[in-house]
Amino acid sequence: QKEVEQDPGPLSVPEGAIVSLNCTYSNSAFQYFMWYRQYSRKGPELLMYTYSSGNKEDGRFTAQVDKSSKYISLFIRDSQPSDSATYLCASYSGGYNKLIFGAGTRLAVHP
Amino acid sequence: EAGVTQSPTHLIKTRGQQATLRCSPISGHTSVYWYQQALGLGLQFLLWYDEGEERNRGNFPPRFSGRQFPNYSSELNVNALELEDSALYLCASSNGDTDTQYFGPGTRLTVL
Repeated sequence: QKEVEQDPGPLSVPEGAIVSLNCTYSNSAFQYFMWYRQYSRKGPELLMYTYSSGNKEDGRFTAQVDKSSKYISLFIRDSQPSDSATYLCASYSGGYNKLIFGAGTRLAVHP
Repeated sequence: EAGVTQSPTHLIKTRGQQATLRCSPISGHTSVYWYQQALGLGLQFLLWYDEGEERNRGNFPPRFSGRQFPNYSSELNVNALELEDSALYLCASSNGDTDTQYFGPGTRLTVL
């Protein structure tokens, strides 16, 4: 079992839709959770960073962490064609433990 | 503020050769991380350097090695290249072990 599981998609939605991207993790020690966005042939770009459980909002993006169910979510409101990218969730426990990435979900937002 | 930079952008080698990839972290960041992103395999953690020391290593053979210099820049060396080493190699940096990682644009290595 992978430590961070993520459905690779692809996920195709119309412009303006609410997008829900999800990951599950297995390591109870994970405390730090990130979402990265990666455009084709580019490096990942940090979108959201949360510590422990709870919600965090930044513009059209909302990140949720539920440590009781080991579930990580990213919501994108009013999705735009420019949101078309691969979204990667990542988690780790801190210290000199490595950051573990999910496989990434490919999202396509069509006009 | 300049982001993480990597060189070269593209690198073409033949099987059995050695490749050297370079990374300069964001100013003030002391940790450098290397990842391999092969087609369809996601980001695989390779190496983590902090303050010149190797802090963690992923599940890769010893022919993948690296180092971190006193100015915190880093080098990844891949010896005895194999066809399956063809991938995008990403470098990231952070300021400490609990801070978020910021990625560079990557070096695309092609092994023929």
